[in-house]
Amino acid sequence: SQTIHQWPATLVQPVGSPLSLECTVEGTSNPNLYWYRQAAGRGLQLLFYSVGIGQISSEVPQNLSASRPQDRQFILSSKKLLLSDSGFYLCAWDTSSGNTIYFGEGSWLTVV
Amino acid sequence: AQSVSQHNHHVILSEAASLELGCNYSYGGTVNLFWYVQYPGQHLQLLLKYFSGDPLVKGIKGFEAEFIKSKFSFNLRKPSVQWSDTAEYFCAVTPGAAGNKLTFGGGTRVLVKP
Repeated sequence: SQTIHQWPATLVQPVGSPLSLECTVEGTSNPNLYWYRQAAGRGLQLLFYSVGIGQISSEVPQNLSASRPQDRQFILSSKKLLLSDSGFYLCAWDTSSGNTIYFGEGSWLTVV
Repeated sequence: AQSVSQHNHHVILSEAASLELGCNYSYGGTVNLFWYVQYPGQHLQLLLKYFSGDPLVKGIKGFEAEFIKSKFSFNLRKPSVQWSDTAEYFCAVTPGAAGNKLTFGGGTRVLVKP
């Protein structure tokens, strides 16, 4: 069966520090991969999506970047965190032929 | 671009009460519609989805939703809630023919008092 994992689960980082959130999917190949963010009091917002290795699309301009070094690995990064980067980050995957998206456990990021 | 609106940010009700959460979307074409739930400390789970066919969709845990195309709505309902239904509920939309990039509503926090 397919599984998705992301880590770390919680993170407290100072302003200006770097960020790396990782996500891996098992049990499927060539998934579409997504990073979402849920800021406090707001809904889920799509940040990045990827349809293949090295292919990244950004939905909103921001302080973050994403990379897909392997087929089932998706990384969310920042060189210098801002206070406004605080939130709940969700990795997700689906397949091009499916219509349901599956989410990871989420990562809580607090920038202080 | 499509958008999704959920009318209530917070709902508080007692066990056995009926629940209805509103969801409206703006998109002129064919859409796929979803309701997701996030229980405290857990990750998002799919409650139900609509792609085509019967506009009244049955989901897990006694939830149902009705797609009303003329109103661009996909309201979630449950006749009698339980304390375990305390969670945050998200409505989501994806264009029917354009892949799976979901657009989410702002979420509704539901608190069921025992």
